[in-house]
Amino acid sequence: AQTVTQSQPEMSVQEAETVTLSCTYDTSENNYYLFWYKQPPSRQMILVIRQEAYKQQNATENRFSVNFQKAAKSFSLKISDSQLGDTAMYFCAFITLSGNTPLVFGKGTRLSVIA
Amino acid sequence: EAGVAQSPRYKIIEKRQSVAFWCNPISGHATLYWYQQILGQGPKLLIQFQNNGVVDDSQLPKDRFSAERLKGVDSTLKIQPAKLEDSAVYLCASSYAGPLYEQYFGPGTRLTVT
Repeated sequence: AQTVTQSQPEMSVQEAETVTLSCTYDTSENNYYLFWYKQPPSRQMILVIRQEAYKQQNATENRFSVNFQKAAKSFSLKISDSQLGDTAMYFCAFITLSGNTPLVFGKGTRLSVIA
Repeated sequence: EAGVAQSPRYKIIEKRQSVAFWCNPISGHATLYWYQQILGQGPKLLIQFQNNGVVDDSQLPKDRFSAERLKGVDSTLKIQPAKLEDSAVYLCASSYAGPLYEQYFGPGTRLTVT
């Protein structure tokens, strides 16, 4: 079974600082996609960043970047220059390219950015 | 481009009552998903439609939950009869074609069963 584990239920960071959210996953498949989603208090889930497992280069989107360690099955999210608007739940998610399993989410990490 | 629309945003019902949720996906998106998000957990897929056909409903409690997507556009999710453990946020999402494409989520419906 595919599982996603986020070991940090809550984190906080000072505005303008950098924070890293952890995610590990378990799968026997070799080809898959990994995602980080943001869910602010308004509840609308928004895709932050996506990583294809076959790409060795870590994905980057503006202030958001990932550290993808395929052998360790680790996929952490780094947020640089944190802003108050980054306050949200962050979910790590995973799907295999075979398409035989749905998108699987972790339990989430609640991030608070403090002024 | 309009996003995924859902209604209602909030619903409170008593156990054993029935309830229905509505979703309108992004225009042109063939795939529609319903997720259940219990407090403190990530979303869990209930059902996935490709156009108006069901692709995956393996985690849908079929004794009480039903869903349909008529004409391959709007969708409704129904619970009858509701149980206390059905209290959750119900999220609708759509994607252009299948789960390997980016999924766009609606704002969700928060259901409270008393």
